[in-house]
Amino acid sequence: DSGVTQTPKHLITATGQRVTLRCSPRSGDLSVYWYQQSLDQGLQFLIHYYNGEERAKGNILERFSAQQFPDLHSELNLSSLELGDSALYFCASSAGGLYGYTFGSGTRLTVV
Amino acid sequence: GNSVTQMEGPVTLSEEAFLTINCTYTATGYPSLFWYVQYPGEGLQLLLKATKADDKGSNKGFEATYRKETTSFHLEKGSVQVSDSAVYFCARGDKIIFGKGTRLHILP
Repeated sequence: DSGVTQTPKHLITATGQRVTLRCSPRSGDLSVYWYQQSLDQGLQFLIHYYNGEERAKGNILERFSAQQFPDLHSELNLSSLELGDSALYFCASSAGGLYGYTFGSGTRLTVV
Repeated sequence: GNSVTQMEGPVTLSEEAFLTINCTYTATGYPSLFWYVQYPGEGLQLLLKATKADDKGSNKGFEATYRKETTSFHLEKGSVQVSDSAVYFCARGDKIIFGKGTRLHILP
């Protein structure tokens, strides 16, 4: 157990629908990062939150949004889903750049 | 620019072979550098890290030396095992940058 909890582990939904992925960071970590991992294994950075505030955005689609709550858990909202959104979505937390990132086990999203 | 470039896979080796996975970075300073490993069906795990130039990170028989002269952080292991089969990612600590990953397959 890495200390980063992601739910659900698997999600199957239809095109056009909206889903919410949840992440609880490791205790004490203020930063939360979201990544998308496609079948070709590459990690695409989506967004970074630090203590409730958005710090950086990567290649995140306008249909996607995220937030970090006062208890530091984060949610990634994906709407108007398309087949191409099927992927693994990882959350990672960090205590700072010197320490690296701790990853959750991911949510596998399948859009049918 | 700011980037991390690692060798493309897949890399296929026989058990007990010597492993090198190349990683180079571009940066204006000296960021912390990391190697992560992703076993099948799992998330990424931190394998090793180096926080400054000439540091050597090591774990589970893997090593990587932070070389500022060549802006490299190559991953090495002297004798790989079947259980090392996974995807390996090189990453920077200051920016949210990962390499594209190198799939390693070890044959028994």
